[in-house]
Amino acid sequence: AQSVTQLGSHVSVSEGALVLLRCNYSSSVPPYLFWYVQYPNQGLQLLLKYTSAATLVKGINGFEAEFKKSETSFHLTKPSAHMSDAAEYFCAVTTRGRALTFGSGTRLQVQP
Amino acid sequence: KAGVTQTPRYLIKTRGQQVTLSCSPISGHRSVSWYQQTPGQGLQFLFEYFSETQRNKGNFPGRFSGRQFSNSRSEMNVSTLELGDSALYLCASSPERTGNEKLFFGSGTQLSVL
Repeated sequence: AQSVTQLGSHVSVSEGALVLLRCNYSSSVPPYLFWYVQYPNQGLQLLLKYTSAATLVKGINGFEAEFKKSETSFHLTKPSAHMSDAAEYFCAVTTRGRALTFGSGTRLQVQP
Repeated sequence: KAGVTQTPRYLIKTRGQQVTLSCSPISGHRSVSWYQQTPGQGLQFLFEYFSETQRNKGNFPGRFSGRQFSNSRSEMNVSTLELGDSALYLCASSPERTGNEKLFFGSGTQLSVL
């Protein structure tokens, strides 16, 4: 079985501050992990994915995430938040041949 | 290249009716997946089609069904609609079977059941 837990349904940061969105996963076999972003009235867009190569994964728009097997975590970070980063972020896990399982999402608010 | 296209964008139905949603994947993509998104349950996997065959199925009742055509376009059908079926239905495509493949999502069909 596979599952994802996103800690914090809402996160608020100031513009220019560090963004940290937390994701913990559960999987009985080595997982593939993803972060997707959803802007209002739109579908989801891939930010980055981990597929057992480098543990530090760089994505679009300055985001990155680090896979930590010992902590079963895949937290998303960005050094400096921008107003345009305000959106909902979803962590997702899968193993080969299975569909993605999404977390419940974290809504990021960026204050001016 | 055109993205994933879902029609209609909005739909209002009443309880007991049935509905068909359509998804046109990105050209060349052979896998189409469907997800239901609600505020309470989040994103839940419905099913995946690849080369006209259902490859994966989520934990939804038999009222939810789908199919894929030879041109990879997919339809999803919900019969005997219930109030709880109100949701945003998202379609996603990928070149091959899902797994470590990147999914490309459409903007969704917002279904309201009255």
